[in-house]
Amino acid sequence: DTAVSQTPKYLVTQMGNDKSIKCEQNLGHDTMYWYKQDSKKFLKIMFSYNNKELIINETVPNRFSPKSPDKAHLNLHINSLELGDSAVYFCASSQGGRPYNEQFFGPGTRLTVL
Amino acid sequence: QKEVEQDPGPLSVPEGAIVSLNCTYSNSAFQYFMWYRQYSRKGPELLMYTYSSGNKEDGRFTAQVDKSSKYISLFIRDSQPSDSATYLCAMNGAGGTSYGKLTFGQGTILTVHP
Repeated sequence: DTAVSQTPKYLVTQMGNDKSIKCEQNLGHDTMYWYKQDSKKFLKIMFSYNNKELIINETVPNRFSPKSPDKAHLNLHINSLELGDSAVYFCASSQGGRPYNEQFFGPGTRLTVL
Repeated sequence: QKEVEQDPGPLSVPEGAIVSLNCTYSNSAFQYFMWYRQYSRKGPELLMYTYSSGNKEDGRFTAQVDKSSKYISLFIRDSQPSDSATYLCAMNGAGGTSYGKLTFGQGTILTVHP
C-alpha cells in the first residue's frame, strides 16, 4: 500500500528539454510539498500546497511550475532543463492542524540532465 | 550561514556503539525539532520529534533539545548495522502548524559495521 508515490523514479534528459514529475498520496492529507535534494544530501523545500492552494513558494527559478489538480496530487513541470537541475526531487505530504509537522515522503525522482 | 548546521560526516562506528548526532541552529523561532532517517535511495522518514526543550526517549533512541544553546542531539544506543542511514535534523516554527516549512540540516551519513 504505497502512501506517497512518484513517477517516474528515474529521469535522464538533455539540457533544454521540458519534463514533468507526478506525485500522488493516498493518506488523505491536505498539504503536499516538493523538495530538492542535491548531491550533498541537502534537502530544501521548493513549494507547498494546501488544499490546492500554493502556500510556500521558495526562491526557485520560474522554470519550475508546480500544479495541484486536487488534494491528492501534486505535479512539477520543469522547463528548459539545466545541468544544475540534476538532483533527487522528493514529494511529501502532511495533514494540516497537527501540532508537529510530520511529513511523509515519496521514494524520490532522480533527475539527471546531460 | 545556513539556518541549520549539521556535520555531514561520514560517521563510522562498530556495532553496539553509542552514536551521537548533533545540529545547531540560529533561528530562535523554531519550536518543533525532528529527526528523519533516510536509507539509501529512499525518502526520509520521521524518527522522532520533540517540542521545545527537553528529552524524549523511544527505545534505543533519545532526542535532546537545548533551546538556550540552540543545539539538538540524537543518541542511538546499542547501534545496529540496520541503523546505517543518513540522519537529518529538521525544525519548524510558526506555531508548529503544518503550513510552516521544515528547515533541514544537511544530514549525517552513519555506517554501523558488524
